[in-house]
Amino acid sequence: DTVMTQSPDSLAVSLGERATINCKSSQSVLYSSNNKNYLAWYRQKPGQPPQLLIYWASTRESGVPDRFSGSGSGTDFTLTINSLQAEDVAVYYCQQYYTTPLTFGGGTKVEIK
Amino acid sequence: QVQLQESGPGLVKPSQTLSLTCTVSGGSISSGDHYWSWIRQPPGKGLEWIGYIYYSGTTYYNPSLKSRLIISVDTSKNQFSLKLSSVTAADTAVYSCARGGFNNGFDYWGQGTLVTVSS
Repeated sequence: DTVMTQSPDSLAVSLGERATINCKSSQSVLYSSNNKNYLAWYRQKPGQPPQLLIYWASTRESGVPDRFSGSGSGTDFTLTINSLQAEDVAVYYCQQYYTTPLTFGGGTKVEIK
Repeated sequence: QVQLQESGPGLVKPSQTLSLTCTVSGGSISSGDHYWSWIRQPPGKGLEWIGYIYYSGTTYYNPSLKSRLIISVDTSKNQFSLKLSSVTAADTAVYSCARGGFNNGFDYWGQGTLVTVSS
């Protein structure tokens, strides 16, 4: 299985400041034939299902605010939340869809400082 | 707007079979544009992908559950279903259905349903 490791486990950020979450895969999720990274990011607010934020490692899902951005390639990825809002208090997950079984990171809890 | 809704018992006895159905509205499973997945989340823990199905009936299961798992589709009802046999307390989780999984992320999710395994 492709193991997804997120860091940190949790972080506290002041409103309006930047939050950065890292995700590392145990094997590359870059498909060389199309140069796409099979990596998605989700936000899960308390009591809700996860919401897709980013796919192909850096493409924002329709309707997702532009303060969310994804970067990275191969095995190392980052989700950046610029200007953190109160509604961004949540757990964030990365997920690879390069190979089955599909796997998620353990999650990063973002709180307000 | 695509919507997914899980249904099924919230309590299952150990050793019995957990059965859930996901009803899709606002889009057709038969369109063939997407795969349809089941995902679970034990209370307070992370996400585990269970498996997916295509409208044709093609499936892929997580090997960790494969021996106990059946996912099926009923295109006439625009539904897909999950059966997990020989359940134990470790199978207690919120079970969610979602669109996607094959070559893409999960873009639409049901609200999820808590299934508790207990006598």
